[in-house]
Amino acid sequence: DAGVIQSPRHEVTEMGQEVTLRCKPISGHDYLFWYRQTMMRGLELLIYFNNNVPIDDSGMPEDRFSAKMPNASFSTLKIQPSEPRDSAVYFCASSPDRPSSPLHFGNGTRLTVT
Amino acid sequence: KNQVEQSPQSLIILEGKNCTLQCNYTVSPFSNLRWYKQDTGRGPVSLTIMTFSENTKSNGRYTATLDADTKQSSLHITASQLSDSASYICVVKSSGDKLTFGTGTRLAVRP
Repeated sequence: DAGVIQSPRHEVTEMGQEVTLRCKPISGHDYLFWYRQTMMRGLELLIYFNNNVPIDDSGMPEDRFSAKMPNASFSTLKIQPSEPRDSAVYFCASSPDRPSSPLHFGNGTRLTVT
Repeated sequence: KNQVEQSPQSLIILEGKNCTLQCNYTVSPFSNLRWYKQDTGRGPVSLTIMTFSENTKSNGRYTATLDADTKQSSLHITASQLSDSASYICVVKSSGDKLTFGTGTRLAVRP
């Protein structure tokens, strides 16, 4: 079991540039989540998918953020255009379709927007 | 509004000592409560998941308690080790798929 795989691990970009974060969930997991973590606000849910379908995107900060899950083994989170306040660690997590199953997190992408 | 509050925000203890982290929540309706450990530069890893009917649950040197009446949980670490240095996050799940995260307790274990 390779776990949830995220890429890149670190991303440094300039304000206004497009950023794409990638995630490969654990095979067989029906749920995929995107979180953002900052020192001030902790972990915040951005969006989650069930069987590749977006269920709740109410946490997406604004239209600059978009997420897709074209198939069960891949998801992207895109920020266009990026802003310095987007600097944070972005985590992807997956879980099977059982109420008491824990989330399995990737090791995150640290995004710095200058 | 659903909220999860953790205390203390940070804690320093000596290796070998015990410690207890607290979590108070106002999430309703309650489904389960989870404790995660997050090492620096890594994603959170699940330690325990407790349902309404469970009062105590252990995972090695980690013991979690849950009082559903007072809406409080604690995580007790016994005989701490340097590798216990991490952030510990309390997460409460309500009905459906909604999770509410605490902001965590940062634990430092010193030799």
